Amino acid sequence: EDKVVQSPLSLVVHEGDTVTLNCSYEVTNFRSLLWYKQEKKAPTFLFMLTSSGIEKKSGRLSSILDKKELFSILNITATQTGDSAIYLCAVPDLYNNNDMRFGAGTRLTVKP
Amino acid sequence: NAGVTQTPKFRVLKTGQSMTLLCAQDMNHEYMYWYRQDPGMGLRLIHYSVGEGTTAKGEVPDGYNVSRLKKQNFLLGLESAAPSQTSVYFCASRTVSYLDTQYFGPGTRLTVL
Repeated sequence: EDKVVQSPLSLVVHEGDTVTLNCSYEVTNFRSLLWYKQEKKAPTFLFMLTSSGIEKKSGRLSSILDKKELFSILNITATQTGDSAIYLCAVPDLYNNNDMRFGAGTRLTVKP
Repeated sequence: NAGVTQTPKFRVLKTGQSMTLLCAQDMNHEYMYWYRQDPGMGLRLIHYSVGEGTTAKGEVPDGYNVSRLKKQNFLLGLESAAPSQTSVYFCASRTVSYLDTQYFGPGTRLTVL
């Protein structure tokens, strides 16, 4: 069965720290991996990764995919309290009409 | 564009009551999804639809029914609510391309007493 596993499940840091969130996957016929940020309401899209080794970057956030080792990381540098959220990783299941398999999420808390 | 909207935002039900959650999207997306989110469980797929008039079961379909009579609407029904269905429900939609992300609605918080 396809799986998406995120670690850690919870993380508490102080403003200015750098964090690395992990997502490993076991999915048949992999095509892409997506990262979302969820604050109080709906998840919002951050990155889509399809190619190994190519970093996607948006401000202080960056992400990279390793298709050989089947994982992705999401880095946040110089964290701010506004980065506090649940970060979700998801992989489309191509055998089920692109049903999105989500990890349990990492709850990040950034303290002032 | 309003994107993906959900009604209601909050609801409290008693065990055994029924209700319908409405999801609407104005982006002409083919695919629509209903998820539930529980603490420590991430998002789990309940049912989904790949087009008007078609629906399919997801990971946790028991106790729920869905209908997609119009392309822009996806309804989630609870025929006889149970406390185990207390959760936050999210609707999402997307185009057919695997390169497209899902767009989520704001969620419905349902409590079953």
